[in-house]
Amino acid sequence: NAGVTQTPKFQVLKTGQSMTLQCAQDMNHEYMSWYRQDPGMGLRLIHYSVGAGITDQGEVPNGYNVSRSTTEDFPLRLLSAAPSQTSVYFCASSYSGSAGGGNEQFFGPGTRLTVL
Amino acid sequence: AQKITQTQPGMFVQEKEAVTLDCTYDTSDQSYGLFWYKQPSSGEMIFLIYQGSYDEQNATEGRYSLNFQKARKSANLVISASQLGDSAMYFCAMRPSGSARQLTFGSGTQLTVLP
Repeated sequence: NAGVTQTPKFQVLKTGQSMTLQCAQDMNHEYMSWYRQDPGMGLRLIHYSVGAGITDQGEVPNGYNVSRSTTEDFPLRLLSAAPSQTSVYFCASSYSGSAGGGNEQFFGPGTRLTVL
Repeated sequence: AQKITQTQPGMFVQEKEAVTLDCTYDTSDQSYGLFWYKQPSSGEMIFLIYQGSYDEQNATEGRYSLNFQKARKSANLVISASQLGDSAMYFCAMRPSGSARQLTFGSGTQLTVLP
């Protein structure tokens, strides 16, 4: 299993450009999420999904869109990039079952985004 | 809303000694989970240990243990016999009950193990 994969690993954008960060998982996890990590701060939740066709906003959703058409894929779209969106972006997935096995979220390797 | 507080921005420990990383949390939920993740300089997030709010015993995973004090709302990570490879950023996180499963993270503690 590849686990959670993210592409690209690095990206530089100009202000106002749009792009899509890709995330895929091959563990058949129902739950997927996007976080951003800024210096000196922990990860903050942008958007999450509890299954195909179901998404919801997290703590910092402004400027980002998501969709979940399949269980495997959960892309994050930046509509009009701004310097404040310079960050490291992590995608994560987990089972949505109850307590017991599989409680942890599995993280992708991250995408380092710079907006000039 | 949930909140995680890690009051130690940086910690130093001598190799082979034990170290405790502090984490306190705030939640009104009765059922929740607490997690610790390690982030080495390479950047990936590595799951270390999990504690459920109704678990009566403190969680342990190898050299990692979680000192869970529910009444004090603390979930400190104890690393025994520190190794140079333990140098990393450590994050405490909480997952509330319910089906959403999103994590709330603390700001992290940078641990440096000295030879």
